Amino acid sequence: GQNIDQPTEMTATEGAIVQINCTYQTSGFNGLFWYQQHAGEAPTFLSYNVLDGLEEKGRFSSFLSRSKGYSYLLLKELQMKDSASYLCAVYPGGYNKLIFGAGTRLAVHP
Amino acid sequence: GAGVSQSPRYKVAKRGQDVALRCDPISGHVSLFWYQQALGQGPEFLTYFQNEAQLDKSGLPSDRFFAERPEGSVSTLKIQRTQQEDSAVYLCASSPRGYRRDTGELFFGEGSRLTVL
Repeated sequence: GQNIDQPTEMTATEGAIVQINCTYQTSGFNGLFWYQQHAGEAPTFLSYNVLDGLEEKGRFSSFLSRSKGYSYLLLKELQMKDSASYLCAVYPGGYNKLIFGAGTRLAVHP
Repeated sequence: GAGVSQSPRYKVAKRGQDVALRCDPISGHVSLFWYQQALGQGPEFLTYFQNEAQLDKSGLPSDRFFAERPEGSVSTLKIQRTQQEDSAVYLCASSPRGYRRDTGELFFGEGSRLTVL
């Protein structure tokens, strides 16, 4: 079966750092995506990991450990506009059907 | 167009009505996906097209759901005899390449929010 787990909600303070974890158990693995989704809007691509390690892109970084079935998204220097849902998604392979977690709603407070 | 376009953005239907949701993918994108997103949940896969061929419809919840992409560009998701549990946002996504891509990045539309009364 396919199972992707991430926390339902998180809160953080503007300017701080927050880490959103994701664990997965899927039949096949060819990469892991993080998407950001503001309320009422389309999910937008944040990051992609296929090899173990940390990928850094500006204020956002994403980490992957394939042996542990684990990823995290790290957001630094939080801004109010970072309040959104963050979706962890696994690409099992073949054609690019993504399997999504339920998403983590992040609220950033002043 | 510049992005994936979906219409209508909002649809209210009475239980039992048929609805049709349209997706206009990014020009030239081979792959097209439909996802269903319930409130507070992540997107759930419904169906996949590579050009005009529907290669996977394993996520369609019942035979009331039907999707087509007759010319390999615009796609329509049709829901017959709508029920309250069909209320959700229906997301369309496209990607440039087809089978066995190197990555699975998808480009999403803003979705069609369906409310069944």
